[in-house]
Amino acid sequence: EPEVTQTPSHQVTQMGQEVILRCVPISNHLYFYWYRQILGQKVEFLVSFYNNEISEKSEIFDDQFSVERPDGSNFTLKIRSTKLEDSAMYFCASSVQANSYNEQFFGPGTRLTVL
Amino acid sequence: GQQVMQIPQYQHVQEGEDFTTYCNSSTTLSNIQWYKQRPGGHPVFLIQLVKSGEVKKQKRLTFQFGEAKKNSSLHITATQTTDVGTYFCAGITNAGKSTFGDGTTLTVKP
Repeated sequence: EPEVTQTPSHQVTQMGQEVILRCVPISNHLYFYWYRQILGQKVEFLVSFYNNEISEKSEIFDDQFSVERPDGSNFTLKIRSTKLEDSAMYFCASSVQANSYNEQFFGPGTRLTVL
Repeated sequence: GQQVMQIPQYQHVQEGEDFTTYCNSSTTLSNIQWYKQRPGGHPVFLIQLVKSGEVKKQKRLTFQFGEAKKNSSLHITATQTTDVGTYFCAGITNAGKSTFGDGTTLTVKP
């Protein structure tokens, strides 16, 4: 069964450093998403991406964040200068479409720890 | 912005008892999705509701979407230990923006 994959599974970084989280969505999916989940809290939407551009983004997704689909398979989330409060689990998800039927398939997540 | 509230935050039940979690949105939803997240796992899609008043069943799980498309519920009949986890509702916009509820964490005592 096709699945969303994410690397690395755990990333430890120093405050102020840049990190890139990588995701490989399911191959025939057209919509891609990033979410974060601070330990013990709810899942928070960061951004949705379609046709090589951002469709929607939340208030969390400020200028420190960017997304890219550098080739036909990868979907990345970059945090330019990490803060302590960026420590969270980051989930990538993909779906066939966003409108009438958009079951989102989540990856296993990358745990980001900012020291 | 859109807010999605979910209650209760925690529910502890004896195996065999029923369980219900409720989801309320501050705005009318295009559709609503339900996810289950096991401890240490990632959210797994359960179902999507689109129509006003829609009711869908999956074995022991019953999902309802309110007439005004602002509230939803998930009911589990005769819980089992495999039902443990956190259940999230998520309001979805047509552009794919999701607003997740706070989740209800279910524990089942055998």
